[in-house]
Amino acid sequence: GAVVSQHPSRVICKSGTSVKIECRSLDFQATTMFWYRQFPKQSLMLMATSNEGSKATYEQGVEKDKFLINHASLTLSTLTVTSAHPEDSSFYICSARVDRDTTYEQYFGPGTRLTVT
Amino acid sequence: AQSVAQPEDQVNVAEGNPLTVKCTYSVSGNPYLFWYVQYPNRGLQFLLKYITGDNLVKGSYGFEAEFNKSQTSFHLKKPSALVSDSALYFCAVREYNFNKFYFGSGTKLNVKP
Repeated sequence: GAVVSQHPSRVICKSGTSVKIECRSLDFQATTMFWYRQFPKQSLMLMATSNEGSKATYEQGVEKDKFLINHASLTLSTLTVTSAHPEDSSFYICSARVDRDTTYEQYFGPGTRLTVT
Repeated sequence: AQSVAQPEDQVNVAEGNPLTVKCTYSVSGNPYLFWYVQYPNRGLQFLLKYITGDNLVKGSYGFEAEFNKSQTSFHLKKPSALVSDSALYFCAVREYNFNKFYFGSGTKLNVKP
């Protein structure tokens, strides 16, 4: 149980276009999901906390107008990178908490590799 | 502010030897500590966690970790390393009242045959 999927796994887009990444909890409900960004050989940096039915909470320094997050249902959060630039190329990982779970764990998706040309 | 430090970028160990991957933390209040492993171009897989209770925590794939409050450490250990253990390991801390995880910089473990 507690599986998180991401789609697509890889995407290449041209500079100036927008890209949407989906994060789904497959077998549980997740009121709260998280989006991370990972640069090569570096750690995961929390970008934002996605809350179902309300606005996302962004970490300091993350442009909310550039990284649009929509958590429209209890099993789906989307991250849209708008007007992508080459510096947005990165590995994006989402995670989710199981509602009413007391294990304090987060379950991570397999990640999406974004390359902006 | 909460933070996690992994002082070693890379750890090299021979197969069959014991391994240790170091982690120290700084957090206000009681820490919730986690270890995750990441294989290339993959997400993170949960290994083990410390919430409360025994300081020695046993996890997946034969890994264990020891919580040391006085030294604010949570080192990952395994008695006998396997080549398949080669991967990137992350230590993370979660603050008591919040959902956010803070990750260390990661340690690349190389296990040589």
